[in-house]
Amino acid sequence: AQSVTQLDSQVPVFEEAPVELRCNYSSSVSVYLFWYVQYPNQGLQLLLKYLSGSTLVKGINGFEAEFNKSQTSFHLRKPSVHISDTAEYFCAVSQGGSEKLVFGKGTKLTVNP
Amino acid sequence: KAGVTQTPRYLIKTRGQQVTLSCSPISGHRSVSWYQQTPGQGLQFLFEYFSETQRNKGNFPGRFSGRQFSNSRSEMNVSTLELGDSALYLCASSLQTGEGYTFGSGTRLTVV
Repeated sequence: AQSVTQLDSQVPVFEEAPVELRCNYSSSVSVYLFWYVQYPNQGLQLLLKYLSGSTLVKGINGFEAEFNKSQTSFHLRKPSVHISDTAEYFCAVSQGGSEKLVFGKGTKLTVNP
Repeated sequence: KAGVTQTPRYLIKTRGQQVTLSCSPISGHRSVSWYQQTPGQGLQFLFEYFSETQRNKGNFPGRFSGRQFSNSRSEMNVSTLELGDSALYLCASSLQTGEGYTFGSGTRLTVV
């Protein structure tokens, strides 16, 4: 069975600092990987996805993620965060060909001035 | 282009009652999925429909059911509500497998 581990439940950073949110997955078959962001009282918004091809994926709002098959990781990065990036971030995996997403527990990113 | 629309946004129900939640996907999207989000369990997959057929089902009791209509709109029903059913229920739609879902804003259900 697939599973997703987000290693940090909370990450506080200062504005304009870089940030990395970590995600590891377990699956014995090829997978699709996603990062979603959730702002308070809202649904989930897709930040970026990895389906195949280049292991470095660029998304919206200046975020990027790198797929590392050998380490089964898909960490999310941003070189300089803004106050508006404060939100909860979810890593998710789906088995290729399936629409079912398995989510991690989420990482709450707090950007302080 | 309109997003995924979920109604109602908020619901308060009493234990033992039943509830129906509605979801209108993005026009042209034929796959609709439902997720339950709680502080304790996080985001959990309920079920997925494609062209009116349930393709996947999560590990939830039979009190949770759903359906999809010919226009791709979907409903989910929870019967005999329990306090533990209090959650944010999210609907999502996608055009093609692997594209990633577009989520609605959710229906927050409170069971008292």
